[in-house]
Amino acid sequence: DQQVKQNSPSLSVQEGRISILNCDYTNSMFDYFLWYKKYPAEGPTFLISISSIKDKNEDGRFTVFLNKSAKHLSLHIVPSQPGDSAVYFCAARYSSASKIIFGSGTRLSIRP
Amino acid sequence: DARVTQTPRHKVTEMGQEVTMRCQPILGHNTVFWYRQTMMQGLELLAYFRNRAPLDDSGMPKDRFSAEMPDATLATLKIQPSEPRDSAVYFCASGTGPPEAFFGQGTRLTVV
Repeated sequence: DQQVKQNSPSLSVQEGRISILNCDYTNSMFDYFLWYKKYPAEGPTFLISISSIKDKNEDGRFTVFLNKSAKHLSLHIVPSQPGDSAVYFCAARYSSASKIIFGSGTRLSIRP
Repeated sequence: DARVTQTPRHKVTEMGQEVTMRCQPILGHNTVFWYRQTMMQGLELLAYFRNRAPLDDSGMPKDRFSAEMPDATLATLKIQPSEPRDSAVYFCASGTGPPEAFFGQGTRLTVV
């Protein structure tokens, strides 16, 4: 039973354009949502998070939007750069237990 | 530069052998996670600890996997006996309570 779902295994975007990565969740007990970026042969690195009481968080080129009624969040990267090519994982934290659950990841490729 | 350290980085072993993976969390972090990355499942949570106490190990096959924290600077994940289906990359991560967790570089396990 996947509680955090990333339905797009891959995404290709032209350099300079916007990349939008999507994530759906099923559990209302999550209090934080996080995005991680992973390069091959490295561990995931934390990118940005959002509290469940907010609907938007921005950090430079990265913005995360949360739609609680739809149980959906998205990561926007503007403008996309070649170094953004990586696998992006969506994750969610249980409010009571600090347990962090990950989705299956989306491979983002930025083409010239 | 504080980081999570995992050893070994690579391990090839024969089916039936015991495997021990080690993790040194970031000093001062009180929450430690073990994840496994597979192609199909993304990042699966195997177990996690807070203040060295196991909180949840429901993601682990109980008959062959065990996770411990002998002290605050060491977490171990053991597989006995190992099977080919255990081949994956195993990640350790640590955190302090703010939502994000910081990952090590992983141990790539191959069971032949």
